[in-house]
Amino acid sequence: GAVVSQHPSWVICKSGTSVKIECRSLDFQATTMFWYRQFPKQSLMLMATSNEGSKATYEQGVEKDKFLINHASLTLSTLTVTSAHPEDSSFYICSAVLEGGLTGELFFGEGSRLTVL
Amino acid sequence: SQQGEEDPQALSIQEGENATMNCSYKTSINNLQWYRQNSGRGLVHLILIRSNEREKHSGRLRVTLDTSKKSSSLLITASRAADTASYFCATDSDKIIFGKGTRLHILP
Repeated sequence: GAVVSQHPSWVICKSGTSVKIECRSLDFQATTMFWYRQFPKQSLMLMATSNEGSKATYEQGVEKDKFLINHASLTLSTLTVTSAHPEDSSFYICSAVLEGGLTGELFFGEGSRLTVL
Repeated sequence: SQQGEEDPQALSIQEGENATMNCSYKTSINNLQWYRQNSGRGLVHLILIRSNEREKHSGRLRVTLDTSKKSSSLLITASRAADTASYFCATDSDKIIFGKGTRLHILP
């Protein structure tokens, strides 16, 4: 099956610093990737849709200047949490759509747990 | 906003029993998917059912879809300890939106 790799799997940072999370499709090209955020025992909340070669589409209430998304190639999307604060601590998960695959099926990375001190 | 909503929110059953989880959604869909998430991990796709399908099987999984009631159910038969996880339904309208999930715990 299609594999999505997410890195780092966990990161601890000081308040005010920026953190970059990478999402790679390893064996397929992904024009579209999605970034989700998940709080403990909660569902996945869609943050933004990342489109290769164009600007990301952010969901309502998600600050695009806070959560910078770059999808520079067909296999890599990055999420940068800028000037992170403790309330940004969460589990961030990316997913990618397999072009030509089962319609709508998403392949997920293993997630990145961010802890902001 | 959340599209799907699963119930129950949590379910504990004995190993070997069947587990049934339900999902309700609000708008029309093209397909509905069920995913599984082990604690602290990414999601794994289980099964997709299209809007024109009523039932689908995959191994020990059985999914039903009732578009008139805007609901779906996931049945796991002969549960195993390894089935302990959270299960989410996701609908696709114009983007994939996840429900709140059911936390399933299989007791040995």
